[in-house]
Amino acid sequence: DVVMTQTPVSLSLAIGQPASISCKSSQSLLGTSGKTFLNWILQRPGQSPKRLIYQVSKLYSEVPDRFSGSGSETEFTLKISRVEAEDLGVYYCWQGTHFPLTFGSGTKLEIK
Amino acid sequence: EIQLQESGPGLVKPSQSLSLTCSVTGYTITSGYDWSWIRKFPGNKMEWMGYISNSGSTNYNPSLKIRISITRDTSKNQFFLQLNSVTTEDTATYYCARYGTHWGQGVMVTVSS
Repeated sequence: DVVMTQTPVSLSLAIGQPASISCKSSQSLLGTSGKTFLNWILQRPGQSPKRLIYQVSKLYSEVPDRFSGSGSETEFTLKISRVEAEDLGVYYCWQGTHFPLTFGSGTKLEIK
Repeated sequence: EIQLQESGPGLVKPSQSLSLTCSVTGYTITSGYDWSWIRKFPGNKMEWMGYISNSGSTNYNPSLKIRISITRDTSKNQFFLQLNSVTTEDTATYYCARYGTHWGQGVMVTVSS
């Protein structure tokens, strides 16, 4: 199975500060289609996970543009340009290139 | 707007089977996409369990392959999870999802005698 390693485990940031979360995969996520199926989701407290980013850097329409994704092959990053209160929760990367699909261990974002 | 809702017992005894239903509204499960079951263990670990495709084919996590079955009832726009021979290690919150983009609210299942 592809192991997804997320760092840091937790972040504590004030509103307005930038955030950066790293996700590394144990093998390349570049698929035979030429696409890289690396995704990010956010689970806010008491809620189900919500989609944020797909194929490394594509934001879903409802996601604010303070979120961005980057990376390739085995190293990926989620950035928030300026953290807002509603951004608290647990962020997960997950890969859909190889079966079984696998998730990172999560990064908890707390607001100071 | 697509919505998914899990239902099923919150308590299952060890060695028994866990059965959950995912009811989908706002989208027909035969129209497209893969329809997954994903679980979150205490402590945040997430595990993809398997899916049933819009055409009815299935794909399971090899770690569960001998215990898991995902089926569907297209007339009710529902799909189902059955996990056999459960142990306390199967205690988790179970989510159904359309691929990984739309998730249900989740149902907490405890395996305990």
